[in-house]
Parts: sequence; structure tokens; C-alpha cells
Amino acid sequence: QSALTQPPSVSGSPGQSVTMSCTGTSSDVGSYNRVSWYQQPPGTAPKLMIYEVYNRPSGVPDRFSGSKSDNTASLTISGLQAEDEADYYCSSYTSSNTWVFGGGTKLTVL
Amino acid sequence: EVQLVESGGGSVQPGGSLRLSCAASGFTFSSFYIHWVRQAPGKGLVWVSGITGGGSSTNYADFVKGRFTISRDNAKSTLYLQMNSLRAEDTAVYYCVRGTYYALDVWGQGTTVTVSS
Repeated sequence: QSALTQPPSVSGSPGQSVTMSCTGTSSDVGSYNRVSWYQQPPGTAPKLMIYEVYNRPSGVPDRFSGSKSDNTASLTISGLQAEDEADYYCSSYTSSNTWVFGGGTKLTVL
Repeated sequence: EVQLVESGGGSVQPGGSLRLSCAASGFTFSSFYIHWVRQAPGKGLVWVSGITGGGSSTNYADFVKGRFTISRDNAKSTLYLQMNSLRAEDTAVYYCVRGTYYALDVWGQGTTVTVSS
């Protein structure tokens, strides 16, 4: 199972919006809504930010939103804040009854 | 509070074995699928294995099949990962993660495994 494809880095200034992509195949992202996003600040464990493509767990700000089109999922962060600086990973369930992660995107808040 | 606490990590020589444990609390352990996910130093997250709530079904990434075995003791609310024939590329932080149908929703703090001669 190959990793999902994410851009290595994205950046934005405070208050701006950024969008990061996550491209899979018809065997994972394209076939299931079991797509999720995780935030990992340096030296900490990952935290679930988005599940089922676009849903936010309790406590996650509504500045975080998710979407999906065909084999590509996206995470958008609006009103960027310094505390959003972290690595972000997407994940999907696969037709092999396994899960796969993307390589991660490093978000820099300028 | 829902909590997962991993233990059992350490240093081992190539070809050696190690057993990781994950103690769960704050939720009905037997009702949840549980995953192991690892992260090599400076690298991304990689899914390793998962097990259903009752323990009857297990799944593995291809790179650990035949070497790693996932199991659970629901009476003790504990998850295990038996790792045999360890290789240098297995060096990583190993996370125990609670699973729902749509995501991996609660993560432990991780335990570090180092495979080196």
C-alpha cells in the first residue's frame, strides 16, 4: 500500500487561509469517506482534527475544514494562527482492510 | 478521561524481539478497534497493524507481516505488539491508537524502539 501524496510544505501569514491536499487512489480516498486529518506539533503525539472527510471532533475550531473530490482530499485552515504551525497528516481506510497515511505537510505560519 | 499508555520500548539488536504493551482506560476497551502506528525519526506516520474489539480479526501492513503479531487482553484492557526479527528500519516511536469507523481518534504518547547493533 503506497502512502497518500501530500505536499511537503505550505505556508501562510496570520489571518490568511491555506489549503493542503492529499491524493490517493480509487482503492482508498476515492472509494471511502473514511478520510481523516491529524495535527502534530513538534515533539507531541498526533491529534485528530477532521474525520469522515469534513467532520470536526468536539473542541476543534471551525477554522479547520475538510473536503474531498474524487481521489483527492483537502484540509483548509482559515484565519491562520501561530498555534496552527505543525505537521499535518491525512489518512484513509483502504480496500485491503488497512489504513494508510500521507507523507505529511509542514505548515509554517509566517 | 480516555487514555492510552504505551510501554515496552527500548534498544534491541537486529534480529531480536520486543513486546510492546498499551494500557487503556476511560472507555470500554473491548468495544473498540485498536491500531499501532509508528513514526521513524524525522519521518511521517505509518500504519502498522490493527485488531478488532473482540480480537478475532487482525490486519497488518505488508512490511511487518510474518514478523509482528498484534493481540489484546480485554480483561486487562491491554493491547500488545510482539515484534520479532527486528530490523534497523523498525526503529521508530510506536503509537497505540483507538479506532472508530471513520478515524483514529485517541493517541497514546508513544514508546520508542531502537534497533541497532
